[in-house]
Amino acid sequence: EVQLLESGGALVQPGGSLRLSCAASGFAFSTFPMNWVRQVPGRGLEWVSAIGTSGTTYYADSVRGRFTVSRDNSDNTLYLQMTTLRAEDTGVYSCAKVAEAGTWRTWFDRWGQGTQVTVSS
Amino acid sequence: IQLTQSPSSLSASVGDRVTITCRASQGISRFLAWYQQKPGKAPKLLIYAASSLQSGVPSRFSGSGSGTEFTLTITSLQPEDFATYYCQQVHSNPITFGQGTRLEIK
Repeated sequence: EVQLLESGGALVQPGGSLRLSCAASGFAFSTFPMNWVRQVPGRGLEWVSAIGTSGTTYYADSVRGRFTVSRDNSDNTLYLQMTTLRAEDTGVYSCAKVAEAGTWRTWFDRWGQGTQVTVSS
Repeated sequence: IQLTQSPSSLSASVGDRVTITCRASQGISRFLAWYQQKPGKAPKLLIYAASSLQSGVPSRFSGSGSGTEFTLTITSLQPEDFATYYCQQVHSNPITFGQGTRLEIK
């Protein structure tokens, strides 16, 4: 069974940093691109970042230059390093597995439950 | 690419047929998916490529459309179908989602 388990969310002050993790199991992690999506009350779902199997990365304009996505295929773990956090980064961050192994830009067939990130002083 | 869903909320009864529309700000061919989300749960993929039913999803769910206008139809609503539904486009970077349609019990 495919499982995605996020961790690392916390309350952090504006300007602070945080690293999220997503532990994957039940599928060949190294062969699938992965994504991060956040959910913000009042703003719905927002795609944040993606990483391909070879390590190519993609970012939403709102986080480019502040967030870094990475993966450890030996440990089946996806990461999101977040720096210079802003109040508008507040939300539930979920990792999502793509349905097709060939491309990062496709529908997501599995999502994690998410981890809460709150940016506030 | 902006996705606009209508209606934003909808009240219906068990057994009803409902249709949710998703309009894209530019053509996206059939690069559209639909998700169902229940409170406190992760989104669940229902439909991909505009009209393909994801494995394990009941056949009362169907999708149609191409280009800029898409619909999700649920025939004979069941109690477990009351949830929020989102469309998603994967035609262009960045991936975007509709704002959601909340389906409530009348």
